[in-house]
Amino acid sequence: SQQGEEDPQALSIQEGENATMNCSYKTSINNLQWYRQNSGRGLVHLILIRSNEREKHSGRLRVTLDTSKKSSSLLITASRAADTASYFCATDKDSSYKLIFGSGTRLLVRP
Amino acid sequence: NAGVMQNPRHLVRRRGQEARLRCSPMKGHSHVYWYRQLPEEGLKFMVYLQKENIIDESGMPKERFSAEFPKEGPSILRIQQVVRGDSAAYFCASSGLAGDTDTQYFGPGTRLTVL
Repeated sequence: SQQGEEDPQALSIQEGENATMNCSYKTSINNLQWYRQNSGRGLVHLILIRSNEREKHSGRLRVTLDTSKKSSSLLITASRAADTASYFCATDKDSSYKLIFGSGTRLLVRP
Repeated sequence: NAGVMQNPRHLVRRRGQEARLRCSPMKGHSHVYWYRQLPEEGLKFMVYLQKENIIDESGMPKERFSAEFPKEGPSILRIQQVVRGDSAAYFCASSGLAGDTDTQYFGPGTRLTVL
């Protein structure tokens, strides 16, 4: 079964609104990473948060990590049409290199 | 600093042919990872290599698939006698800069179609 699972599977919002995506995982981790993938393209690394960190910011992105609940959230504030993409969380279940991805959240930002 | 480069970007093969996918890691990176992505799914780990060494190939099918990362040149993922089920996007990632060893940077992928 998947180590990381995102929800919702799909999210449609209006430009300017905030988008929140969640990721749950099953076993202990060293790091959790969020990636963005535009349709038919490669993955772009967004943020890495370590297991001893609770919150991290990067521009309009805010990531939280709750290791007691084995969950993470990605918040995109003031969304833009260009944020339309699939967003994946990736965890390192057994080691720091073998990333395990969820199925992703497909975000649509309507102009 | 050029990112991770993969070629070809698109590859079409007939059943039974061989597919060779190439990956050049980011400058200064010595760790290479290959992942496979089926439509509408997340990426699945296949293999982790360092120069001239396979560190972990637990995600790679035992038959028909092989990977190498020679001392000189790109990493190669080789699929022999391809079947329709091999059709997928294959992504390479690299890591290894001091102080940032855990972040994997991905290439644009090779989309393999088996006819």
